[in-house]
Amino acid sequence: QSALTQPPSVSGSPGQSVTISCTGTSSDVGSYYRVSWYQQPPGTAPKLMIYEVNNRPSGIPHRFSGSKSGNTASLTISGLQAADEADYYCSSYTDTDTWVFGGGTKLTVL
Amino acid sequence: QVQLVESGGGVVQPGRSLRLSCAASGFTFSSYGMHWVRQAPGKGLEWVAVIWYDGSKKYYADSVKGRVTISRDNSKNTLYLQMNSLRAEDTALYYCVKGSGNYHTNWFDPWGQGTLVTVSS
Repeated sequence: QSALTQPPSVSGSPGQSVTISCTGTSSDVGSYYRVSWYQQPPGTAPKLMIYEVNNRPSGIPHRFSGSKSGNTASLTISGLQAADEADYYCSSYTDTDTWVFGGGTKLTVL
Repeated sequence: QVQLVESGGGVVQPGRSLRLSCAASGFTFSSYGMHWVRQAPGKGLEWVAVIWYDGSKKYYADSVKGRVTISRDNSKNTLYLQMNSLRAEDTALYYCVKGSGNYHTNWFDPWGQGTLVTVSS
């Protein structure tokens, strides 16, 4: 149950796009579409942003999108806004009926 | 709306036990798998355990297996986490999280606000 690998930090200017990667293995990300992404501003509980690789829950802006290729999933945020500044976590189901999270990525809007 | 309210956290000495509770409302509790996820201070999220909608199946992270038991009372809409032989590394904010289905969870939503467990002598 090793954590999925995310970059510790990414940054971008308002209006730009950023992509956060999430690398797992063939035992988790590579084998399942049960990959999701969560946003966690400081001092708050995580919030679902993307589910099943590339689906947005109701109320999540189209600026947030997800994808997957092989063992790596990605979250792309376009048209960056100051309000997007937060920690982002990916998660995947695994072949041992457990779940695993990424180490988290701190997004800074310059 | 869906509400998950955790309780039971506190300061506990190493080796002791603690039981966390999560009161659920706003949805048919008995129809969904439920999870515990924790977050150590300043650290990332760590999945801890899941219980199927009817309590028939339970799975645990290796880091807590054998020391932690997840359970539920569908008549009380309440989820539990019994934690034994607590260690300093169990210090974390423990979130109660609703799964997306009765047994197969494809995503976690929503999350409670968490209850803080501090293991210290």
